Amino acid sequence: EVQLVESGGGLVQPGGSLRLSCAASGFTFSSYWMHWVRQAPGKGLVWVSRINSDGSSTSYADSVKGRFTISRDNAKNTLYLQMNSLRAEDTAVYYCARDHLVTTVNWFDPWGQGTLVTVSS
Amino acid sequence: DIQMTQSPSSLSASVGDRVTITCRASQSISSYLNWYQQKPGKAPKLLIYAASSLQSGVPSRFSGSGSGTDFTLTISSLQPEDFATYYCQQSYSAYTFGQGTKLEIK
Repeated sequence: EVQLVESGGGLVQPGGSLRLSCAASGFTFSSYWMHWVRQAPGKGLVWVSRINSDGSSTSYADSVKGRFTISRDNAKNTLYLQMNSLRAEDTAVYYCARDHLVTTVNWFDPWGQGTLVTVSS
Repeated sequence: DIQMTQSPSSLSASVGDRVTITCRASQSISSYLNWYQQKPGKAPKLLIYAASSLQSGVPSRFSGSGSGTDFTLTISSLQPEDFATYYCQQSYSAYTFGQGTKLEIK
């Protein structure tokens, strides 16, 4: 069974740091691009970041560029999101999702269950 | 950046109704459009990819259509388990989601 399990969320003060992890199983992790998507309480989905299959290429939403870093360890089948200089507006459930690409069209499937990050003093 | 606008933002319907949700892109995105369903406290689930392709395991009452800037998600006969929030997403240039459409029981 293809599965993604996030961890590492919690309460952090403004300006603090947190590292999220996403453990993958049931598929060849090293063959897939991966994404982080977040959802503030009661709000919609917002794409945060993506990384290609070998980790050599990354991209970020403008709102997190320069503060967040996506990375992966293909030997450990794990995706990471290092979040620095956290702000109240970063409070959200963070989901990891697998990219699925056919020719030039891609979509996100499956998604993990999410981990809640709360930025508050 | 490409903006995605869904309508309506919320919708009340009854079991057995036919429902259509619309998603409009701020520029042409060809068929780079996906639809997701999200239930409270759960992760999003892929329903439709590439505008009209049904994801494996998704009931055939769900269908998608459109290309360019205008897209629709149709549920042909609402079932109790379909009451949820639906999001469109473009993958033509980076990734943008619509604001969501909350489908509620009438």
